[in-house]
Amino acid sequence: SQQGEEDPQALSIQEGENATMNCSYKTSINNLQWYRQNSGRGLVHLILIRSNEREKHSGRLRVTLDTSKKSSSLLITASRAADTASYFCATVRSGNTPLVFGKGTRLSVIA
Amino acid sequence: DGGITQSPKYLFRKEGQNVTLSCEQNLNHDAMYWYRQDPGQGLRLIYYSQIVNDFQKGDIAEGYSVSREKKESFPLTVTSAQKNPTAFYLCASSTEGAREKLFFGSGTQLSVL
Repeated sequence: SQQGEEDPQALSIQEGENATMNCSYKTSINNLQWYRQNSGRGLVHLILIRSNEREKHSGRLRVTLDTSKKSSSLLITASRAADTASYFCATVRSGNTPLVFGKGTRLSVIA
Repeated sequence: DGGITQSPKYLFRKEGQNVTLSCEQNLNHDAMYWYRQDPGQGLRLIYYSQIVNDFQKGDIAEGYSVSREKKESFPLTVTSAQKNPTAFYLCASSTEGAREKLFFGSGTQLSVL
């Protein structure tokens, strides 16, 4: 069962624009993570935000977390064609159970 | 180089055949995982292991089996009982428990002949 759901399912933008993806989840979390997947490849961890954090930055990435709304957003600033990929949020349902992934947002950055 | 190696990259299964997907890691991670990904879908957990000689079923374990005889290795067998095995299979590992950052292999695409 999916814990996180990303929105939108697909996003197409011009190079240089910002891209925003959202993730909603259902139960209390310890942390929320974002991953990137290039076509036909494995996932790569981008950033982890803990439940007591509200915002986190890493290079051109900005992640926010609103535990009252059970939602998170991933902002990629000044996007590049190389950012074209699928982006997934992942959460832990409870205890020490493994990460549960959403269905992802497919981002296309057009040069 | 440290990392996770999955092999083969492409695998074809005949009807009624069991096939085994390999996953090896040299990151000294205790926990390892197998996920299945269908086109346009997220990842679904098949099995996971948090320590050698122990593993737990995930959400879609039926038709699959695993073993964890060594810390470095977590092979997945897709049995003939799995009627719809065509998918992209991803192996991952993490340092402690299941809450932290996962490291993924490059995946195995399994198709049915």
